[in-house]
Amino acid sequence: AQRVTQPEKLLSVFKGAPVELKCNYSYSGSPELFWYVQYSRQRLQLLLRHISRESIKGFTADLNKGETSFHLKKPFAQEEDSAMYYCALAYNTDKLIFGTGTRLQVFP
Amino acid sequence: NAGVTQTPKFQVLKTGQSMTLQCAQDMNHNSMYWYRQDPGMGLRLIYYSASEGTTDKGEVPNGYNVSRLNKREFSLRLESAAPSQTSVYFCASLTLPGTGSYNEQFFGPGTRLTVL
Repeated sequence: AQRVTQPEKLLSVFKGAPVELKCNYSYSGSPELFWYVQYSRQRLQLLLRHISRESIKGFTADLNKGETSFHLKKPFAQEEDSAMYYCALAYNTDKLIFGTGTRLQVFP
Repeated sequence: NAGVTQTPKFQVLKTGQSMTLQCAQDMNHNSMYWYRQDPGMGLRLIYYSASEGTTDKGEVPNGYNVSRLNKREFSLRLESAAPSQTSVYFCASLTLPGTGSYNEQFFGPGTRLTVL
């Protein structure tokens, strides 16, 4: 069965420090992976998807099929990056399974 | 465009009461979803609807019913609320995926439900 694991519930860093939010997945098919973000008092929104190979707000994520990982990285964290981050895996064409989320706190 | 809207934003129920959460989208999307968000558990799919007139169970459907009234609207009903249904409920919608790609799910603002 498909599964998404985010091992860290909370990640705290200081402004300017590098950030890596971990995501591992289990899926028998060809994976399509996403990172969603939820800022305080806002709705969940897509941050980036692996298929686009894009960098959004300085964040990047590379799909590593060998390690079944899709870690989210940013070289220099900003205070406005503080939010809840969810890794998600698409399955059966039109459904997503989410990880349990990692709360990122960036201190000044 | 308002995107995905949900009503109400907050609700407090007593055990055994019933209520319906409303969701509407104005993006002409085909698929719609109901999730619940609980601390430490992420978002879990309750029900989804791939198109008007069709609904299917997700990961945690027990205690819920849904109606896909038309293409725009997808409601979630709790017939007899229980404290275990205290949660934040999100509605989302999705266009038909294009060839070789997967489109974005758009989320509503959520409904915070407390069952006493």
